[in-house]
Amino acid sequence: DTAVSQTPKYLVTQMGNDKSIKCEQNLGHDTMYWYKQDSKKFLKIMFSYNNKELIINETVPNRFSPKSPDKAHLNLHINSLELGDSAVYFCASSGGPQETQYFGPGTRLLVL
Amino acid sequence: QKEVEQNSGPLSVPEGAIASLNCTYSDRGSQSFFWYRQYSGKSPELIMFIYSNGDKEDGRFTAQLNKASQYVSLLIRDSQPSDSATYLCAVGRGTASKLTFGTGTRLQVTL
Repeated sequence: DTAVSQTPKYLVTQMGNDKSIKCEQNLGHDTMYWYKQDSKKFLKIMFSYNNKELIINETVPNRFSPKSPDKAHLNLHINSLELGDSAVYFCASSGGPQETQYFGPGTRLLVL
Repeated sequence: QKEVEQNSGPLSVPEGAIASLNCTYSDRGSQSFFWYRQYSGKSPELIMFIYSNGDKEDGRFTAQLNKASQYVSLLIRDSQPSDSATYLCAVGRGTASKLTFGTGTRLQVTL
């Protein structure tokens, strides 16, 4: 059973398009995250939700909008995609006494 | 100054040797420290976490934390080719907080 899953795994699209990435966790965790990993492999947090409430909102263009319909799901919608949005987007969830974070498999986004 | 700094490597060690990976952080309020391993094209996977000064051992892995020096390290004993990956150091201020990641150290274990 996959603990943190994301769809799609790959996403190739044109500049200016709008796209969504979905994430689901079956670990029973309360907190979920979106990270962006750029071509230099730098992993940077974008958003975090705790029980459907936004708790971390880093300096991210407002073209990126997260949505958490329930605590097991966290989606990321991106409007007007730009070349610089090309990256791998990881979803993660955390729980347990140490709140360790577990990552999904990633969504590889390529904007042409 | 970067918040979490790691030598990007590659760090090359022969099979069976000890690999030593280092990480420094700038936020003195940091309380939680994590090591993740990331194989090429895969997601980060947790290896260890440490909260208190000193050493913490788990199998072939030992994490070392020195809060006074703002330094955390990961030792891998009896390195195997399968240990070849990028190792990410992550630092947090407390539970359910954001983690700040270093850029990772690429480890190559040679035969």
